[in-house]
Amino acid sequence: GQSLEQPSEVTAVEGAIVQINCTYQTSGFYGLSWYQQHDGGAPTFLSYNALDGLEETGRFSSFLSRSDSYGYLLLQELQMKDSASYFCVEGRNQGGKLIFGQGTELSVKP
Amino acid sequence: NAGVTQTPKFRILKIGQSMTLQCAQDMNHNYMYWYRQDPGMGLKLIYYSVGAGITDKGEVPNGYNVSRSTTEDFPLRLELAAPSQTSVYFCASKNTEAFFGQGTRLTVV
Repeated sequence: GQSLEQPSEVTAVEGAIVQINCTYQTSGFYGLSWYQQHDGGAPTFLSYNALDGLEETGRFSSFLSRSDSYGYLLLQELQMKDSASYFCVEGRNQGGKLIFGQGTELSVKP
Repeated sequence: NAGVTQTPKFRILKIGQSMTLQCAQDMNHNYMYWYRQDPGMGLKLIYYSVGAGITDKGEVPNGYNVSRSTTEDFPLRLELAAPSQTSVYFCASKNTEAFFGQGTRLTVV
């Protein structure tokens, strides 16, 4: 079964803030990453958390709580170009094995 | 630097044919990966490698084989293609973050 859970769709308006949640399994967990994919193109890296807490990169932030097996991606000041699929990715086996979640399709409306 | 290069970009195979998807990276990354992505779905890990000479199964390895004789190259072999293998295939390499190729769109008819 799917060990990573994230919402399938999220809709928000331009300028707003949106949070995409992700829960993961704990066996062999090494870290949680987030990737963005536009229209079936190559996924691109957004953020990575190995330790608990918040990582901030411009308009994007990512959070991890190991005790809750939970993380989220926070997107601020949404722009139309942020409409894409967002994947949480679990690192296992000391980070060598990368398992993708099913993805969250974000639609940003004017 | 070219990053991760996948060839071919598109391919149509007949049932039962075989082919090799090529993947090369020029970033000297130890970790390399093959994923498949079906429409509207996430990426499923087929095989991965943590260094030359070392490969391991991912989530969906059946029907595929890989080899890693050099750090740069990580080809994916499909033997006896089946319609269920129609998908988009992505190769990636990683140091701290993963870099993906542009994908190979494979149709098996």
